[in-house]
Amino acid sequence: DAGITQSPRHKVTETGTPVTLRCHQTENHRYMYWYRQDPGHGLRLIHYSYGVKDTDKGEVSDGYSVSRSKTEDFLLTLESATSSQTSVYFCAISDGRAEQFFGPGTRLTVL
Amino acid sequence: KNEVEQSPQNLTAQEGEFITINCSYSVGISALHWLQQHPGGGIVSLFMLSSGKKKHGRLIATINIQEKHSSLHITASHPRDSAVYICAVALYNFNKFYFGSGTKLNVKP
Repeated sequence: DAGITQSPRHKVTETGTPVTLRCHQTENHRYMYWYRQDPGHGLRLIHYSYGVKDTDKGEVSDGYSVSRSKTEDFLLTLESATSSQTSVYFCAISDGRAEQFFGPGTRLTVL
Repeated sequence: KNEVEQSPQNLTAQEGEFITINCSYSVGISALHWLQQHPGGGIVSLFMLSSGKKKHGRLIATINIQEKHSSLHITASHPRDSAVYICAVALYNFNKFYFGSGTKLNVKP
């Protein structure tokens, strides 16, 4: 199994608070991704990174920011959480050969 | 507009039945993936295809590049096959992926 961890695994927070989710990999893969998964929708890309300090927006990036200061870590920040951001968040990594490996997911509830 | 469409969305089968899940896509791809997600669980890759057919145990995946269509078959289905199956495509020349909304399979004993 690819070495990907996410923290925290579960979080409950209140509307308006900042939240940071962390993805950590031990595979030295270049590409890292943040997705959200909601009922009735496929996995939707929030942001992705193609190298240290190189990031770009996905299809549902509003309200989210990311940072990647080291190859192994990709942080997702909700500056001011809203109830619509209640979701399961998955991190994924890829070495650029058209295959992805997923982290275990983080369940976020915004009250 | 969804770049990846799966059918059916939900599927209930009796143990032992042959199951087919379909995936159609509308973009140029370098590869197609079938993923499995058990309830409350993580996402694991079952197959990566760029042409033809692959088999792993009771699972078979096929792809027709000209028709932009793939199928996942499960032979002799078992309750432990109950999961959500997700089709995903990797775009050409860019390491980006699109996902279908998944097929929820329930196999009854």
